[in-house]
Amino acid sequence: DGGITQSPKYLFRKEGQNVTLSCEQNLNHDAMYWYRQDPGQGLRLIYYSQIVNDFQKGDIAEGYSVSREKKESFPLTVTSAQKNPTAFYLCASSRDRGRAQPQHFGDGTRLSIL
Amino acid sequence: DAKTTQPNSMESNEEEPVHLPCNHSTISGTDYIHWYRQLPSQGPEYVIHGLTSNVNNRMASLAIAEDRKSSTLILHRATLRDAAVYYCILGYSGGGADGLTFGKGTHLIIQP
Repeated sequence: DGGITQSPKYLFRKEGQNVTLSCEQNLNHDAMYWYRQDPGQGLRLIYYSQIVNDFQKGDIAEGYSVSREKKESFPLTVTSAQKNPTAFYLCASSRDRGRAQPQHFGDGTRLSIL
Repeated sequence: DAKTTQPNSMESNEEEPVHLPCNHSTISGTDYIHWYRQLPSQGPEYVIHGLTSNVNNRMASLAIAEDRKSSTLILHRATLRDAAVYYCILGYSGGGADGLTFGKGTHLIIQP
């Protein structure tokens, strides 16, 4: 079945440590996105990518970095500069650019601080 | 970005229709209306979207007001599995994949 796979499901970060969240899709979608969700809140956009080797900052990019070396993969690194990283992280993809396209979401990674 | 307004929560009975309202008075002519829903500890799931005309799919119906300043998501026969947070979102139909803006949504409670 086509879809989006996020791993790991749960992740713990030590102080000063960088961690990388994986996102893989087999939907042949061009556009991919990373969102952050805090308890009881909606989703906020971190980064998005419209095509391989291109990505743009979203509303809350500080303390995060991404890469898009392959169409299928869009990993997110939470750096030590992100002082409040505890949240639910969601990856999504859509067929192409444009917010008229429905987005398909993974099941998320829950990141906590040790 | 144009914003949407939804009730914080709604309650309905199983096997009855549910009408979830959304106001978007500042919608522009090129904004699509999207609905997603999210179960606890899962990613959002696409439900339906439309521009001007009412839309139907296997999950739900979307009724859009003639002036497009409001819309209603209709679940024709609610089940316990429909209990979720429902998000009404506006998406610009032009270029630029800059994501969707999710608010807090409506928490739908289904009573057996």
